[in-house]
Amino acid sequence: QKEVEQDPGPLSVPEGAIVSLNCTYSNSAFQYFMWYRQYSRKGPELLMYTYSSGNKEDGRFTAQVDKSSKYISLFIRDSQPSDSATYLCAMTRSGGSEKLVFGKGTKLTVNP
Amino acid sequence: DAMVIQNPRYQVTQFGKPVTLSCSQTLNHNVMYWYQQKSSQAPKLLFHYYDKDFNNEADTPDNFQSRRPNTSFCFLDIRSPGLGDAAMYLCATSRVGGGRGEQYFGPGTRLTVT
Repeated sequence: QKEVEQDPGPLSVPEGAIVSLNCTYSNSAFQYFMWYRQYSRKGPELLMYTYSSGNKEDGRFTAQVDKSSKYISLFIRDSQPSDSATYLCAMTRSGGSEKLVFGKGTKLTVNP
Repeated sequence: DAMVIQNPRYQVTQFGKPVTLSCSQTLNHNVMYWYQQKSSQAPKLLFHYYDKDFNNEADTPDNFQSRRPNTSFCFLDIRSPGLGDAAMYLCATSRVGGGRGEQYFGPGTRLTVT
């Protein structure tokens, strides 16, 4: 079993749809959870950061962490064509220099 | 704007010809990382520097080395590139302390080996 599982998609939705992206993980020691957005041929851009369980909202984006289920989600409301990208979840046990453990990424296309 | 900068953005090298990729940061972060990312795959950590302390991942080939002459700069040296080393190379930084774990990535250098 991989430490972090993420459905690679591809996921295609119409403009304005609500998008749900998810990751599951096996290591209960993970405490810091991140979502990165990566446009084609660009570096990952930090989108959302969450510590431990709970929700965090930033504009059209909401990140949820359920540590009891080892499940994290990213919701995108009113999706736009500019949201078309690969979304990577990442997590780490501590806030130090420990490496991030990434999911494989979900490729999202929002169609106008 | 504070950021992570990578040069060059695109690099073509010949099989076996040494190549150096560079990364600089204006975030004043104490940790710098090098990742390798192949098409449709997650970034794979090669090594990182915590200040001047070098930390190599166990499965990083000996062909890959790194230097960090000061806080702002970090270099990735590939001594004898093979065709399998063609990939996007990502530099990232983070600030240890304050209990946060997020890393900030540069735009990447796409390496082609001919």
